[in-house]
Amino acid sequence: SSELTQDPAVSVALGQPVRITCQGDSLRTYYANWYQQKAGQAPVLVVYGKNKRPSGIPDRFSGSSSGNTASLTITGAQAEDEADYYCNSRDSSANHVFGTGTTVTVL
Amino acid sequence: QLQLQESGSGLVKPSETLSLTCAVSGGSITSDDHSWSWIRQPPGKGLEWIGYIFHSGSTYYNPSLKSRVTMSIDRSKNQFSLELSSVTAADTAVYYCAREGGENSYVSWFDPWGQGALVTVSP
Repeated sequence: SSELTQDPAVSVALGQPVRITCQGDSLRTYYANWYQQKAGQAPVLVVYGKNKRPSGIPDRFSGSSSGNTASLTITGAQAEDEADYYCNSRDSSANHVFGTGTTVTVL
Repeated sequence: QLQLQESGSGLVKPSETLSLTCAVSGGSITSDDHSWSWIRQPPGKGLEWIGYIFHSGSTYYNPSLKSRVTMSIDRSKNQFSLELSSVTAADTAVYYCAREGGENSYVSWFDPWGQGALVTVSP
């Protein structure tokens, strides 16, 4: 099955931008979605499809894609953005695949 | 506002069957635009998609779990269920239910999610 690879951890200074990447062959065909998971909570969708945000998600979250890599950018990271972030997409067999996850620490 | 809530057995013995139900409120499970998924997360690890079911009853399962998974739907109760047979300690996880939405065959996403139910496999 397809795999989606993310950097395990990234840190960012308060108010600075941070980019989280997700790599996988399926991303050449399928859009990535991004989920935020805070400690002890269920994941929350923050970006989906071609850079769309669900209602209530701040506009500092944005998505982009190029080739086999999708990215989630947080412009002006806030303390409340500290969380695990997972990408996800379909694959050619109609399965869903999740990325390995990235822990974002806001300094 | 659509809400999902998991319930079921929190402790299951090895080789037995795990059973969970997801109650949907604030919307109908019979929507043609959505399917209903189960996703799990072992303690301290990442997310794994288990499968989805449509209101028609048609299903699609993760190939890695297909031989042990059964999903069903109860339209009268607006809920759907998961059974995972022959469980081992490796099946210990938080199990989430979620609605799947999509624009086309190239993009679909999970939103919202239930709060999750911890299932522990232990003698």
